[in-house]
Amino acid sequence: SAVISQKPSRDICQRGTSLTIQCQVDSQVTMMFWYRQQPGQSLTLIATANQGSEATYESGFVIDKFPISRPNLTFSTLTVSNMSPEDSSIYLCSALGLREQYFGPGTRLTVT
Amino acid sequence: AQKITQTQPGMFVQEKEAVTLDCTYDTSDQSYGLFWYKQPSSGEMIFLIYQGSYDEQNATEGRYSLNFQKARKSANLVISASQLGDSAMYFCAMREGRDDKIIFGKGTRLHILP
Repeated sequence: SAVISQKPSRDICQRGTSLTIQCQVDSQVTMMFWYRQQPGQSLTLIATANQGSEATYESGFVIDKFPISRPNLTFSTLTVSNMSPEDSSIYLCSALGLREQYFGPGTRLTVT
Repeated sequence: AQKITQTQPGMFVQEKEAVTLDCTYDTSDQSYGLFWYKQPSSGEMIFLIYQGSYDEQNATEGRYSLNFQKARKSANLVISASQLGDSAMYFCAMREGRDDKIIFGKGTRLHILP
């Protein structure tokens, strides 16, 4: 199994600023993903973080707003850029196992 | 069209009763996987059970079992002998395709009554 940690666990940010969320996995994994969970909603996939290449974004999410890095097999970052109150959500990092997908504890972001 | 459908937004169940949470899915892939996750109020995503499309037996993990009906594209979660700690949001999810990304249903909020 894999253990995923995320930093920060929560933050309150002003509109127009950017926040970078870090995700660290305790073992090498092939696939890493970033999800968003808005209040009272399900998880929505933002993008697949590809090691050594550009992330693959889902419909409705763009690189300028959510730039993602993945420099190696255990680490990824998600930046939420030019934030607005609508970006207030929980952001979750995820890594793929053989028969399980592991999730980090999430980053609770509030934009004021 | 929704890939994962959970038709029960909320359920109330008496403690110690069995619970069935419904999930239907839509895919044209032959190889796919189905997951159930529990999300308590703390927000963490707790993996419960996994069923591969080629698995011959229904998956079981302790009090959790997955009633997999491939022809009906159904993957219901059964919780036996429910406990107060089972009160949470439950998500059904599917992994398909070469990129292995997982898509989630809208969830079912389960309330266990004492």
